[in-house]
Amino acid sequence: QITLKESGRTLVKPTQTLTLTCTFSGFSLSTRGVGVGWIRQPPGKALEWLAVIYWDDDKRYSPSLKSRLTITKDTSKNQVVLTMTNMDPVDTATYYCAHTSWFGELSWFDPWGQGTLVTVSS
Amino acid sequence: AIQLTQSPSSLSASVGDRVTITCRASQGISSALAWYQQKPGKAPNILIYDASSLESGVPSRFRGSGSGTEFTLTISSLQPEDFATYYCQQFNSYPYSFGQGTKLEIK
Repeated sequence: QITLKESGRTLVKPTQTLTLTCTFSGFSLSTRGVGVGWIRQPPGKALEWLAVIYWDDDKRYSPSLKSRLTITKDTSKNQVVLTMTNMDPVDTATYYCAHTSWFGELSWFDPWGQGTLVTVSS
Repeated sequence: AIQLTQSPSSLSASVGDRVTITCRASQGISSALAWYQQKPGKAPNILIYDASSLESGVPSRFRGSGSGTEFTLTISSLQPEDFATYYCQQFNSYPYSFGQGTKLEIK
């Protein structure tokens, strides 16, 4: 059974850097074809994809946020870390991590973590 | 970037009704489309992948169809637990994108 859980500070000030950790079980990021993505959802709004990292350390980012995002993995700890710099109140959202795969083609996200609400406020 | 447009944005229906939600892509995405259900305060759950493949454990009243630029999610007979928000997502190419969501409410 695959599970994922997000953790990190839930309240950050404008201009600060957000660091979120996704801790997962039931799969390994050293296994060919495995990936973990990050998606966010502002309150009452739609889902927005942020970044994804794969077993081979391939990393992809949302073009609109690329300059602010960094995604890394720690295979030994079964963790993926997302950092987002220069946080702004518009970045207030629930941040989710989710399992995905790649076998020659992109794939959907399943399952998702429970999400963590990050509020940006002074 | 590929944009996904869902319609309607909201929908009122009754238990037992048949409902259809549409997702249109700004360019062709073959069958690289997924549908998710999201209930308040919860993470999205996959319903359909590859446009028409039913995820294991999802009731057969959910059906996905379409390819290219137009896709539909049909719920054949609404049950009380189906009232939620539904999102489509394309995985044809980066950046991944989601539709704006369709909120299904009880009439």
